[in-house]
Amino acid sequence: DPKIIQKPKYLVAVTGSEKILICEQYLGHNAMYWYRQSAKKPLEFMFSYSYQKLMDNQTASSRFQPQSSKKNHLDLQITALKPDDSATYFCASSPTGTGDYEQYFGPGTRLTVL
Amino acid sequence: GDKVKQSPSALSLQEGTNSALRCNFSIAATTVQWFLQNPRGSLINLFYLVPGTKENGRLKSAFDSKESYSTLHIRDAQLEDSGTYFCAAERANTGKLTFGDGTVLTVKP
Repeated sequence: DPKIIQKPKYLVAVTGSEKILICEQYLGHNAMYWYRQSAKKPLEFMFSYSYQKLMDNQTASSRFQPQSSKKNHLDLQITALKPDDSATYFCASSPTGTGDYEQYFGPGTRLTVL
Repeated sequence: GDKVKQSPSALSLQEGTNSALRCNFSIAATTVQWFLQNPRGSLINLFYLVPGTKENGRLKSAFDSKESYSTLHIRDAQLEDSGTYFCAAERANTGKLTFGDGTVLTVKP
């Protein structure tokens, strides 16, 4: 059974629209993360949450908003989508957010913005 | 500048041969992780390292925090080892991973 679920697997959106990427982890972890992988850049850290609180935000744009409704959920809302937002978005989790443990990654959501 | 530099960027191996991948860090890494991204795009955990070495089957990895580098050795390469290998450094208990650009490995029969 997959331990980190990301939905949807593929997503196509039009410029200017808004989408929510879903992430749920069933590892009992207290820290969750979002990373982005695009054709132009390597995997990039976006956000980290620990116990449902924002720890770090390396995303320059406020169009990207993480949402944690439950301890094991960290969704990513993206507004006013642009073609440059096209990428695969990976959710990850670890027991704590202090780097003492390895991070496990979900299968990713591949977003294409037309 | 590049905070995590991986080399080589691409590598082609004959089945059964050995090779090594390397990451150099320009950040003060406290832990390192190695991943394999398979052709379906999934990131598979290979190693989580504090300074020192670990071995798992045909793979062996080392992390030297003083000299700021990490290596991944592949012994007796198999076809299923093909994919993109990423190293990622974590600094000072932040939990934030900084990734290298990856090494694309192709193992040929």
